[in-house]
Amino acid sequence: GAVVSQHPSWVICKSGTSVKIECRSLDFQATTMFWYRQFPKQSLMLMATSNEGSKATYEQGVEKDKFLINHASLTLSTLTVTSAHPEDSSFYICSASGSIGNTIYFGEGSWLTVV
Amino acid sequence: QQQVKQSPQSLIVQKGGISIINCAYENTAFDYFPWYQQFPGKGPALLIAIRPDVSEKKEGRFTISFNKSAKQFSLHIMDSQPGDSATYFCAASWVDSSYKLIFGSGTRLLVRP
Repeated sequence: GAVVSQHPSWVICKSGTSVKIECRSLDFQATTMFWYRQFPKQSLMLMATSNEGSKATYEQGVEKDKFLINHASLTLSTLTVTSAHPEDSSFYICSASGSIGNTIYFGEGSWLTVV
Repeated sequence: QQQVKQSPQSLIVQKGGISIINCAYENTAFDYFPWYQQFPGKGPALLIAIRPDVSEKKEGRFTISFNKSAKQFSLHIMDSQPGDSATYFCAASWVDSSYKLIFGSGTRLLVRP
Protein backbone atom coordinates (compact mmCIF):
# COMPACT_ATOMS: atom_id res chain seq x y z
CA GLY A 1 0.00 0.00 0.00
CA ALA A 2 0.87 3.65 -0.09
CA VAL A 3 3.59 4.73 2.28
CA VAL A 4 4.41 8.08 3.73
CA SER A 5 7.85 8.25 5.26
CA GLN A 6 9.12 10.77 7.78
CA HIS A 7 12.71 11.49 8.62
CA PRO A 8 14.16 11.69 11.15
CA SER A 9 12.06 9.53 13.47
CA TRP A 10 13.48 11.41 16.40
CA VAL A 11 15.82 14.34 16.81
CA ILE A 12 17.35 16.22 19.71
CA CYS A 13 18.50 19.76 19.12
CA LYS A 14 19.81 22.61 21.20
CA SER A 15 17.65 25.58 22.03
CA GLY A 16 18.03 28.31 19.44
CA THR A 17 18.95 26.04 16.57
CA SER A 18 16.79 25.01 13.62
CA VAL A 19 15.74 21.50 12.70
CA LYS A 20 14.22 20.13 9.50
CA ILE A 21 11.77 17.23 9.27
CA GLU A 22 11.07 15.58 5.92
CA CYS A 23 7.87 13.95 4.76
CA ARG A 24 8.00 11.82 1.62
CA SER A 25 5.33 9.99 -0.30
CA LEU A 26 7.08 6.86 -1.54
CA ASP A 27 4.75 5.48 -4.18
CA PHE A 28 2.28 8.18 -5.08
CA GLN A 29 2.17 11.84 -5.95
CA ALA A 30 1.15 13.91 -2.96
CA THR A 31 -0.52 17.05 -4.21
CA THR A 32 -1.46 18.00 -0.67
CA MET A 33 0.39 17.38 2.57
CA PHE A 34 -0.67 18.24 6.08
CA TRP A 35 1.48 18.80 9.15
CA TYR A 36 0.17 17.99 12.61
CA ARG A 37 1.56 18.44 16.07
CA GLN A 38 0.74 16.14 18.94
CA PHE A 39 1.63 16.65 22.59
CA PRO A 40 1.71 13.59 24.90
CA LYS A 41 -1.73 12.18 25.60
CA GLN A 42 -3.37 14.80 23.41
CA SER A 43 -4.97 14.83 20.01
CA LEU A 44 -3.43 15.79 16.69
CA MET A 45 -3.59 19.50 16.01
CA LEU A 46 -3.38 20.61 12.40
CA MET A 47 -0.58 23.11 11.90
CA ALA A 48 -0.68 23.77 8.17
CA THR A 49 -1.70 22.55 4.76
CA SER A 50 0.80 22.54 1.94
CA ASN A 51 0.08 22.17 -1.73
CA GLU A 52 2.86 21.37 -4.15
CA GLY A 53 4.38 24.47 -5.64
CA SER A 54 2.49 26.99 -3.53
CA LYS A 55 2.78 28.58 -0.11
CA ALA A 56 1.50 26.68 2.88
CA THR A 57 -1.73 27.67 4.58
CA TYR A 58 -1.29 27.89 8.33
CA GLU A 59 -3.94 27.31 10.96
CA GLN A 60 -4.82 30.09 13.33
CA GLY A 61 -2.26 30.50 16.07
CA VAL A 62 0.59 28.76 14.23
CA GLU A 63 3.59 31.00 13.62
CA LYS A 64 4.48 30.70 9.96
CA ASP A 65 7.89 32.30 10.49
CA LYS A 66 8.73 29.74 13.13
CA PHE A 67 7.39 26.65 11.36
CA LEU A 68 8.58 26.91 7.78
CA ILE A 69 6.89 24.51 5.40
CA ASN A 70 8.12 23.79 1.90
CA HIS A 71 6.39 21.51 -0.61
CA ALA A 72 8.72 21.81 -3.56
CA SER A 73 7.90 18.51 -5.25
CA LEU A 74 5.04 16.05 -5.50
CA THR A 75 6.82 13.62 -3.18
CA LEU A 76 8.46 15.82 -0.58
CA SER A 77 7.37 18.35 2.02
CA THR A 78 9.61 19.68 4.75
CA LEU A 79 8.89 21.30 8.09
CA THR A 80 11.64 23.45 9.55
CA VAL A 81 11.35 24.50 13.17
CA THR A 82 13.39 27.67 13.42
CA SER A 83 15.02 28.95 16.60
CA ALA A 84 13.66 25.98 18.47
CA HIS A 85 12.77 26.24 22.14
CA PRO A 86 11.93 23.54 24.70
CA GLU A 87 8.21 24.28 24.31
CA ASP A 88 8.51 23.19 20.65
CA SER A 89 9.31 19.67 21.82
CA SER A 90 6.53 17.53 20.44
CA PHE A 91 5.56 14.74 18.08
CA TYR A 92 5.22 16.05 14.53
CA ILE A 93 3.22 14.03 12.03
CA CYS A 94 2.62 14.55 8.34
CA SER A 95 -0.08 13.16 6.11
CA ALA A 96 -0.51 13.16 2.37
CA SER A 97 -3.24 12.85 -0.19
CA GLY A 98 -3.11 12.92 -3.95
CA SER A 99 -2.90 10.49 -6.81
CA ILE A 100 -3.49 7.44 -4.61
CA GLY A 101 -7.24 7.95 -4.59
CA ASN A 102 -9.90 8.89 -2.09
CA THR A 103 -7.88 8.54 1.06
CA ILE A 104 -5.07 10.03 3.05
CA TYR A 105 -1.99 8.43 4.55
CA PHE A 106 -0.03 9.32 7.63
CA GLY A 107 3.67 9.17 8.30
CA GLU A 108 5.10 7.48 11.38
CA GLY A 109 5.84 10.79 13.04
CA SER A 110 8.96 12.57 14.22
CA TRP A 111 9.82 13.18 17.84
CA LEU A 112 11.50 16.51 18.45
CA THR A 113 13.20 17.23 21.76
CA VAL A 114 14.71 20.66 22.28
CA VAL A 115 17.20 20.88 25.12
CA GLN B 1 -18.39 24.46 14.26
CA GLN B 2 -15.15 22.83 13.21
CA GLN B 3 -14.96 20.70 16.34
CA VAL B 4 -15.45 16.99 16.65
CA LYS B 5 -16.37 15.95 20.18
CA GLN B 6 -15.29 12.50 21.29
CA SER B 7 -16.19 10.43 24.33
CA PRO B 8 -15.28 8.75 26.55
CA GLN B 9 -11.79 9.98 27.27
CA SER B 10 -10.77 6.53 28.45
CA LEU B 11 -12.34 3.11 28.37
CA ILE B 12 -11.56 -0.19 30.06
CA VAL B 13 -13.07 -3.35 28.61
CA GLN B 14 -12.62 -7.01 29.40
CA LYS B 15 -11.29 -9.28 26.69
CA GLY B 16 -14.14 -10.42 24.49
CA GLY B 17 -16.30 -7.43 25.32
CA ILE B 18 -17.58 -4.65 23.09
CA SER B 19 -15.81 -1.30 23.06
CA ILE B 20 -17.93 1.68 22.03
CA ILE B 21 -16.57 5.14 21.31
CA ASN B 22 -18.78 8.04 20.30
CA CYS B 23 -18.23 11.22 18.31
CA ALA B 24 -20.40 14.19 17.44
CA TYR B 25 -19.93 17.02 14.98
CA GLU B 26 -21.61 20.28 14.03
CA ASN B 27 -20.42 21.09 10.54
CA THR B 28 -22.91 19.57 8.10
CA ALA B 29 -20.39 20.05 5.29
CA PHE B 30 -18.32 17.15 6.60
CA ASP B 31 -18.63 14.17 4.29
CA TYR B 32 -15.89 11.82 5.38
CA PHE B 33 -15.63 10.26 8.84
CA PRO B 34 -12.61 8.07 9.56
CA TRP B 35 -11.43 6.37 12.70
CA TYR B 36 -7.75 6.09 13.49
CA GLN B 37 -5.86 3.81 15.82
CA GLN B 38 -2.64 5.05 17.35
CA PHE B 39 -0.10 3.13 19.38
CA PRO B 40 2.39 5.00 21.60
CA GLY B 41 5.14 6.66 19.59
CA LYS B 42 3.56 5.83 16.25
CA GLY B 43 1.60 7.75 13.68
CA PRO B 44 -2.14 7.16 13.43
CA ALA B 45 -3.31 4.31 11.23
CA LEU B 46 -6.63 4.34 9.41
CA LEU B 47 -8.97 1.76 10.87
CA ILE B 48 -12.24 2.29 9.06
CA ALA B 49 -14.08 5.19 7.46
CA ILE B 50 -17.61 6.04 6.43
CA ARG B 51 -19.37 8.56 4.24
CA PRO B 52 -22.79 10.00 5.10
CA ASP B 53 -24.68 8.08 2.43
CA VAL B 54 -24.63 4.91 4.57
CA SER B 55 -25.66 4.35 8.17
CA GLU B 56 -23.29 1.52 8.99
CA LYS B 57 -20.06 0.02 7.77
CA LYS B 58 -18.43 -3.12 9.06
CA GLU B 59 -14.90 -4.38 8.57
CA GLY B 60 -14.03 -7.45 10.56
CA ARG B 61 -14.51 -6.70 14.25
CA PHE B 62 -14.84 -2.96 13.65
CA THR B 63 -18.14 -1.25 12.86
CA ILE B 64 -18.98 2.40 12.33
CA SER B 65 -22.55 3.49 13.01
CA PHE B 66 -23.53 6.82 11.51
CA ASN B 67 -26.55 8.95 12.41
CA LYS B 68 -26.73 11.84 9.98
CA SER B 69 -29.74 13.55 11.56
CA ALA B 70 -28.12 13.50 15.00
CA LYS B 71 -24.70 14.34 13.56
CA GLN B 72 -23.15 11.49 15.50
CA PHE B 73 -21.05 8.50 14.66
CA SER B 74 -19.56 5.74 16.72
CA LEU B 75 -17.00 2.97 16.59
CA HIS B 76 -17.84 -0.47 17.90
CA ILE B 77 -15.07 -2.98 18.47
CA MET B 78 -16.51 -6.45 18.86
CA ASP B 79 -14.70 -9.22 20.71
CA SER B 80 -12.15 -6.71 22.02
CA GLN B 81 -8.63 -8.08 22.41
CA PRO B 82 -5.65 -6.90 24.50
CA GLY B 83 -3.91 -6.04 21.22
CA ASP B 84 -6.65 -3.48 20.59
CA SER B 85 -5.36 -1.44 23.53
CA ALA B 86 -4.46 1.88 21.93
CA THR B 87 -5.73 5.40 21.52
CA TYR B 88 -8.57 5.83 19.05
CA PHE B 89 -9.35 9.08 17.28
CA CYS B 90 -12.41 9.92 15.30
CA ALA B 91 -12.06 12.58 12.65
CA ALA B 92 -14.11 14.44 10.11
CA SER B 93 -13.30 16.01 6.82
CA TRP B 94 -14.73 17.12 3.54
CA VAL B 95 -13.50 15.70 0.28
CA ASP B 96 -12.94 18.99 -1.49
CA SER B 97 -10.49 19.98 1.26
CA SER B 98 -8.12 17.23 0.08
CA TYR B 99 -8.94 15.44 3.33
CA LYS B 100 -8.04 18.11 5.83
CA LEU B 101 -8.90 16.19 8.98
CA ILE B 102 -10.38 17.58 12.15
CA PHE B 103 -9.64 15.16 14.97
CA GLY B 104 -11.56 14.33 18.10
CA SER B 105 -9.79 14.42 21.44
CA GLY B 106 -9.07 10.70 21.50
CA THR B 107 -10.08 7.69 23.61
CA ARG B 108 -7.55 5.58 25.41
CA LEU B 109 -8.77 2.00 25.29
CA LEU B 110 -7.44 -0.67 27.61
CA VAL B 111 -8.57 -4.22 27.05
CA ARG B 112 -7.89 -6.41 30.05
CA PRO B 113 -6.99 -10.07 29.50
